[in-house]
Amino acid sequence: GNSVTQMEGPVTLSEEAFLTINCTYTATGYPSLFWYVQYPGEGLQLLLKATKADDKGSNKGFEATYRKETTSFHLEKGSVQVSDSAVYFCALTGGQAGTALIFGKGTTLSVSS
Amino acid sequence: DAGVIQSPRHEVTEMGQEVTLRCKPISGHDYLFWYRQTMMRGLELLIYFNNNVPIDDSGMPEDRFSAKMPNASFSTLKIQPSEPRDSAVYFCASSLWGSNTEAFFGQGTRLTVV
Repeated sequence: GNSVTQMEGPVTLSEEAFLTINCTYTATGYPSLFWYVQYPGEGLQLLLKATKADDKGSNKGFEATYRKETTSFHLEKGSVQVSDSAVYFCALTGGQAGTALIFGKGTTLSVSS
Repeated sequence: DAGVIQSPRHEVTEMGQEVTLRCKPISGHDYLFWYRQTMMRGLELLIYFNNNVPIDDSGMPEDRFSAKMPNASFSTLKIQPSEPRDSAVYFCASSLWGSNTEAFFGQGTRLTVV
């Protein structure tokens, strides 16, 4: 079945450091890919998405490119801020999974000043 | 729109009691999802509805769990009887038709069963 694997955390960085959170997926068909972010005590919010191969999603300085050849959707940011501290979830939908989002286990990011 | 609204935000109950979690989706959204979040298992899809009809409930862990959507603006997730291992954060989310559309999440209900 469809699944998402993302790097385990926590990831601890200093402010202005470069961030990469790896995400790979297994899916039949042509899924859409998402990154969601969860701040403490809140629900998940969409950060960015890509709906077809080679699409790049971007938002708030974060980027991720849908790589069908490597089945990956790695999240990157060139310069993190303390306010980026949160849990990040990679997810997919579509294909065999239908409309429901299937999530990875989440990666906790902690940024210190 | 106020977004997806869940109630209560926190629930503490004793083992064996019935628990009912509530969700109001965003008006006009025709998909509604229930997820459970734990440290061990992450975010698990429990069940989802399309136009008030349950489409996939394969994630519901046991018969103690049931979910209903009597109309387009309300859904419940019920646990009866509750057990300590049901302690988790339960999220409701809604979206418009289409597998590449964004799902909007409520703030969750933190359930503690003692």
